[in-house]
Amino acid sequence: EVQLVESGGGLVQPGGSLRLSCVASEFTFNSYSMNWVRQAPGKGLEWVSHIHSDSSLIYYADSVRGRFTISRDNAKNSLYLQMNSLRADDTAVYYCARRQITAGTMNGAFDIWGQGTMVTVSS
Amino acid sequence: EIVLTQSPATLSLSPGERATLSCRASQSVSNYLAWYQQKPGQAPRLLIYDVSNRATGIPARFSGSASGTDFTLTISSLEPEDFAVYYCQQRYNWPLTFGGGTKVEIK
Repeated sequence: EVQLVESGGGLVQPGGSLRLSCVASEFTFNSYSMNWVRQAPGKGLEWVSHIHSDSSLIYYADSVRGRFTISRDNAKNSLYLQMNSLRADDTAVYYCARRQITAGTMNGAFDIWGQGTMVTVSS
Repeated sequence: EIVLTQSPATLSLSPGERATLSCRASQSVSNYLAWYQQKPGQAPRLLIYDVSNRATGIPARFSGSASGTDFTLTISSLEPEDFAVYYCQQRYNWPLTFGGGTKVEIK
């Protein structure tokens, strides 16, 4: 079964750091662009970051640029999100999501999602 | 940033009724619009991509359409499992953005 499994969430103090991981299985990870999407408690979805299949292109939301770093290790079928200088408004469930490959694009919709990992920023 | 405005915020309907959900983009997103379904405690699930293409395994009662910058998700006859929150999302421009969601609840 095609699957994404996140880990690394938890409780962290404001200003602290956390590294999220996402392990992929049952698909050719190195062929797909990957993203992080978050959802604050009781709120909607917010795109966080994108990384191309070979890490050649990376994008961030303005709200996290300069504080978060996305990376991947294709040999380990893994995606990462290094989060520094965390703030209370970073509190959310963080999902990793695969970008769909369709005719003409490698950056389609989010077709596979992990179950999410909760990050709580609080003193 | 492209803003997606979903309406209504909440839709109260009975099983078997037709649901019509709207998503308006603040500027052109071409046909690069998707719809997702999210149930409580679960990750979102892709329903429709590129305006009108159903994702793998999505029933035919779900359909998508567009008129300019106005997009519509239609559920032809609501099943009990369809009561959930629905989000639209554009991939035309960075940053990728989502609408605020429409909750379809049981009347």
